[in-house]
Amino acid sequence: DTGVSQDPRHKITKRGQNVTFRCDPISEHNRLYWYRQTLGQGPEFLTYFQNEAQLEKSRLLSDRFSAERPKGSFSTLEIQRTEQGDSAMYLCASNPLASNTEAFFGQGTRLTVV
Amino acid sequence: QQQVKQSPQSLIVQKGGISIINCAYENTAFDYFPWYQQFPGKGPALLIAIRPDVSEKKEGRFTISFNKSAKQFSLHIMDSQPGDSATYFCAASSMDSSYKLIFGSGTRLLVRP
Repeated sequence: DTGVSQDPRHKITKRGQNVTFRCDPISEHNRLYWYRQTLGQGPEFLTYFQNEAQLEKSRLLSDRFSAERPKGSFSTLEIQRTEQGDSAMYLCASNPLASNTEAFFGQGTRLTVV
Repeated sequence: QQQVKQSPQSLIVQKGGISIINCAYENTAFDYFPWYQQFPGKGPALLIAIRPDVSEKKEGRFTISFNKSAKQFSLHIMDSQPGDSATYFCAASSMDSSYKLIFGSGTRLLVRP
C-alpha cells in the first residue's frame, strides 16, 4: 500500500498521559499536514511541514502539542498531559510540492482520553 | 475570513435522485476548491476539485458548479446511489496559506434504496 499510513489507528489513554502518533506520507511528498476532526465536524488544520521544516502552526496547537518531521520523511505528533477535550480523530495528509494537487489523507488515529 | 460555510447539514435522497450540497466562502484568495467524501472510520478522500477560472467541472456523476462573483460553489451528485451515502465536505485553500485546507462542517447524505 503506497498511501498515507497512520499508526496507531486507535488510542485510548488516561487523562494526563502523553501520547504520540506517527504518520508516513506518500513517498516523495514534500508537504505534510496534520488535522484534527471532532465528531460531526470538518477537519481543522493543526500544522504544516515542507520537508523537515515546520512552516505553520494553528493556534489550535497549544503548547502541549508538538510535531516533528525529522529528515523530511515520517512525522510524529505528540500530545502531552492529555485532556478529555483532546479526544478526536487526528488526520495526516500529504501532497507533492510541485503543485496544489490532491491532498491524500491517511485513515487517521482515533484518540479517546478517559 | 477563513471560514467555509456548508449546507445542508444532512440530506436524504431517493435512489436515482439528485443530491445538491452548497458551500460559500469569504476569502477571495482561495484558488482551489475540492470536495471530499468520508465514510465512517475512514479518512477523507478527494471526489472532485475545481479552480476559480472555470464555472463547472464534471467527473462521472459528480459535478461542481462554481460562482466566483457570489463566492459560492456546489456539488451535484446525479443518479444518487445507496453507496454514495457518506459525509461530504467542501474545502478551500490558497497558495499564500500553504495550501492548507479549510473545511466546511460537512453534509451527511443518506440515499434510500
